Amino acid sequence: DAKTTQPPSMDCAEGRAANLPCNHSTISGNEYVYWYRQIHSQGPQYIIHGLKNNETNEMASLIITEDRKSSTLILPHATLRDTAVYYCIVRGKNSGNTPLVFGKGTRLSVIA
Amino acid sequence: NAGVMQNPRHLVRRRGQEARLRCSPVKGHSHVYWYRQLPEEGLKFMVYLQKENIIDESGMPKERFSAEFPKEGPSILRIQQVVRGDSAAYFCASSPFRGQNTGELFFGEGSRLTVL
Repeated sequence: DAKTTQPPSMDCAEGRAANLPCNHSTISGNEYVYWYRQIHSQGPQYIIHGLKNNETNEMASLIITEDRKSSTLILPHATLRDTAVYYCIVRGKNSGNTPLVFGKGTRLSVIA
Repeated sequence: NAGVMQNPRHLVRRRGQEARLRCSPVKGHSHVYWYRQLPEEGLKFMVYLQKENIIDESGMPKERFSAEFPKEGPSILRIQQVVRGDSAAYFCASSPFRGQNTGELFFGEGSRLTVL
């Protein structure tokens, strides 16, 4: 699976959009981009995933660049409860049930 | 529609004792994963199991640690002769079988082991 690079930390004002970048320049054509987050002391939580099209669900939007070498997770109206570590993970479509490998992620602090 | 259930949520052991952590996957899920998170560190994969089989144990310490996922009942992560360095949060995750798999893992709330 391709390696990802994320900033170690970010701040965001409450009510504003949080835009979390992820670089995955070595991604291959059959690899998906997954986002998870871990709120302090809790189990990781799946947020969203995508292959090449932009995706949106009730939690967030995922914007993947045309060349697929980077992506941005967008939390449209961040709240204090969105303070967490956010993980961007690249995983092959044919990886089946192979384990996810977590990097260091981005620590997002939402500030009142 | 219960999610992944882990117990105990907190466990205190003295050095040399045994720790047993249990994980019940989401109903219908046949794949279980164990991860460890040391204080102030990231999640590290330990072991991946299907019913009655260990598929990948590349992240398991070579000694004192074992895992099983029997045909009936929860998955068990067993740590023998615990040491202070085993103090960590242990997370279990599950996923459905391959044909239904979207790559999403469902995590439990973790078991926090403290070794005195």
